[in-house]
Amino acid sequence: QQQVKQSPQSLIVQKGGISIINCAYENTAFDYFPWYQQFPGKGPALLIAIRPDVSEKKEGRFTISFNKSAKQFSLHIMDSQPGDSATYFCAASMGGAQKLVFGQGTRLTINP
Amino acid sequence: EAGVTQFPSHSVIEKGQTVTLRCDPISGHDNLYWYRRVMGKEIKFLLHFVKESKQDESGMPNNRFLAERTGGTYSTLKVQPAELEDSGVYFCASSQGQHYGYTFGSGTRLTVV
Repeated sequence: QQQVKQSPQSLIVQKGGISIINCAYENTAFDYFPWYQQFPGKGPALLIAIRPDVSEKKEGRFTISFNKSAKQFSLHIMDSQPGDSATYFCAASMGGAQKLVFGQGTRLTINP
Repeated sequence: EAGVTQFPSHSVIEKGQTVTLRCDPISGHDNLYWYRRVMGKEIKFLLHFVKESKQDESGMPNNRFLAERTGGTYSTLKVQPAELEDSGVYFCASSQGQHYGYTFGSGTRLTVV
């Protein structure tokens, strides 16, 4: 049973556009929701994270939107750049950054 | 600060053989995690060490997998005997504490043929 569902599996966006990746979770005990960015040949790197007491968190061009009632959260990348091309994973955990449950990943391609 | 180091980066072994993966966490990080990503699927938790103790090994698939963390420093993950379904990328990560984000290593790509 997959506890975190991520969509889409792949996404192509033009340079300067907005990239949106969505995740839905089932376990209401989750209290930490990070997003990871992974480039080929590298491990996932923490991009941005949110806790359920806020509905939005912004860091530069990256924003997490969180909807607790719908059990959904999303990553928005504004002014997408070719250097943003990577695989993005959403994740969730209970009790802080302990055991993470990951989504399946989204391969994002930004066309120049 | 040196990152999380994993080796080998790639390993190709035959079914039935034994493979040992190694992870060197960031110095001073008491928490060490192993994860695995099978082709195209989600990254799945395997186990969590706090220092040399196994805090949570609920994700270990079966008794062919053995993880150790000697003296609370580096960790090894042994697969014996390896099966075809063990193929995937094995990631190690470390953190200072449960309220800090992880730092992942670059992973070991294991192919069992």
